[in-house]
Amino acid sequence: DTGVSQNPRHKITKRGQNVTFRCDPISEHNRLYWYRQTLGQGPEFLTYFQNEAQLEKSRLLSDRFSAERPKGSFSTLEIQRTEQGDSAMYLCASSHRDGTYNEQFFGPGTRLTVL
Amino acid sequence: AQSVTQPDIHITVSEGASLELRCNYSYGATPYLFWYVQSPGQGLQLLLKYFSGDTLVQGIKGFEAEFKRSQSSFNLRKPSVHWSDAAEYFCAVGPMEYGNKLVFGAGTILRVKS
Repeated sequence: DTGVSQNPRHKITKRGQNVTFRCDPISEHNRLYWYRQTLGQGPEFLTYFQNEAQLEKSRLLSDRFSAERPKGSFSTLEIQRTEQGDSAMYLCASSHRDGTYNEQFFGPGTRLTVL
Repeated sequence: AQSVTQPDIHITVSEGASLELRCNYSYGATPYLFWYVQSPGQGLQLLLKYFSGDTLVQGIKGFEAEFKRSQSSFNLRKPSVHWSDAAEYFCAVGPMEYGNKLVFGAGTILRVKS
């Protein structure tokens, strides 16, 4: 088990461009979460999936943001028409639902810089 | 609304000294409580968690935390800090439901001086 991986680790883009991040959860974890962390703040919840179903989206997730988990394994987070305010660390976490509350395991994050 | 307050943005302690990081939460019911640590370039690592039962919980790396319902607090402690403990620490709350979202505090940056 290699843990949660995220790619790329860093992304620099110009305002108005689209970007896509990938998260590979721990194998067999059926829940996958996306959080955003800005400088000086703790992570803020964006959305989560159980298998391929997106069960909840935060109001932080504007219509420029879309997340998918097409086969219930890896997930992608796309930001369209990026704005400077999108600059942040995007964190992915996964957990396994087996009837009890289980720990969310976090990946190293993707740091986005919008110029 | 759920919220977590970590009153101290930065704390500096000497190596070998004791440590206490404060966390207060606002929640409609008894929450699940967590402490995570984040080192530069690393993901968040769970130090410890409280679900129910004994209000003093032990975690990894010699950390412990005490849940005080009357004070809505979940402070993190360590009797003797090591230089490798320098990192950012986050307190978080989550609902008593299966694996739902966490609400994090703003974090406390710990500096350790030798």
